[in-house]
Amino acid sequence: DAGVIQSPRHEVTEMGQEVTLRCKPISGHDYLFWYRQTMMRGLELLIYFNNNVPIDDSGMPEDRFSAKMPNASFSTLKIQPSEPRDSAVYFCASSLAIRNLNTEAFFGQGTRLTVV
Amino acid sequence: AQKITQTQPGMFVQEKEAVTLDCTYDTSDPSYGLFWYKQPSSGEMIFLIYQGSYDQQNATEGRYSLNFQKARKSANLVISASQLGDSAMYFCAMSSNFGNEKLTFGTGTRLTIIP
Repeated sequence: DAGVIQSPRHEVTEMGQEVTLRCKPISGHDYLFWYRQTMMRGLELLIYFNNNVPIDDSGMPEDRFSAKMPNASFSTLKIQPSEPRDSAVYFCASSLAIRNLNTEAFFGQGTRLTVV
Repeated sequence: AQKITQTQPGMFVQEKEAVTLDCTYDTSDPSYGLFWYKQPSSGEMIFLIYQGSYDQQNATEGRYSLNFQKARKSANLVISASQLGDSAMYFCAMSSNFGNEKLTFGTGTRLTIIP
């Protein structure tokens, strides 16, 4: 398996523009997570899905952020309109059912977003 | 609520020495899992080791071992015979199975191995 695939790897955009980050989880994984990493706040969970259904979006910073998972093999994280403070590395991760706990999350390479 | 605390923002260790990275946690859930991830300068997150709260023995994976002290709520990572390639950020994380499957991460420790 190719692992979790994120695109793009790098994104530079102007303030106010819409940004869409994409993720392809590992086939067969039930859970998909979106994390944001910054120097100031570390790794923050934004939202996670179970079987394509959003379970907890309490980490989504504000209404400018939205995430979808239309099928088991694809998810998007959209920021509209983007702001400079959204600059961060955004990670997508997937895992098997967690009920047994011993199921690590596999991370993608991340998307480094810079909003100028 | 779950909380992970890593009190060492940075560490410098001589090559071939053992190193211990500290992690303490706080949770009211009786069943939980503890994870360590490595993030090299290239940015990817690499899973290292897992410890379940009911596991009787400390987890080991090659040069990595987890010193789990449940009463003290600590889950320190021990790297034996450190190598230059071990230089990276290390994150401790936890999850529980009581309606809170998400992984909560600590702030990380930057480990630098000195030749």
